[in-house]
Amino acid sequence: QQKVQQSPESLTVSEGAMASLNCTFSDGTSDNFRWYRQHSGKGLEVLVSIFSDGEKEEGRFTAHLNRASLHVSLHIREPQPSDSAVYLCAMSMGNMGYKLTFGTGTSLLVDP
Amino acid sequence: EAGVTQSPRYAVLQEGQAVSFWCDPISGHDTLYWYQQPRDQGPQLLVYFRDEAVIDNSQLPSDRFSAVRPKGTNSTLKIQSAKQGDTATYLCASRDWSETLYFGSGTRLTVL
Repeated sequence: QQKVQQSPESLTVSEGAMASLNCTFSDGTSDNFRWYRQHSGKGLEVLVSIFSDGEKEEGRFTAHLNRASLHVSLHIREPQPSDSAVYLCAMSMGNMGYKLTFGTGTSLLVDP
Repeated sequence: EAGVTQSPRYAVLQEGQAVSFWCDPISGHDTLYWYQQPRDQGPQLLVYFRDEAVIDNSQLPSDRFSAVRPKGTNSTLKIQSAKQGDTATYLCASRDWSETLYFGSGTRLTVL
């Protein structure tokens, strides 16, 4: 079963500085990768989906996927205090019903 | 468009009590998922349905947990005899033809 590790566990950045989050996975069987955000007490909000190696941008959020390195990252440009939340990477295999396997999460705090 | 709706928002039980969680997915979404998210961890899949059929319940503790989706729309997850280890947030998600799962806000369960 796919194992997913996220780093760092927590991150504090100043408003406007780039925030970078990382996710490593245990094998190359997944073909769908997503980053979700979870504000305290709320559900999960999908930020960006990426299905092939390279880069995918959605507004201020950019995901980078390198399946050979078993690594996917998320970069948040010009983070704002409202971006303070837990960020979860998730992956799945399309032919397995899109069952998501989640990482452990990175808690991001954006200082004003 | 209404999102995924879950109720109740919170539940507090003594060990041994039963509890049910309810989920109303996005209209037209044929696939529904239940995830368990222990505190400070990523969500873990319990069970998922396509229409009224259970596709995968391999991670559902079958001796105490059950899930149904009788008409292929709303779904109920039930814990027969709760244990302290069941303390977690229970998330429901739904998906249509696309690969993206849309999550509800969850039910936060505390078992004393």
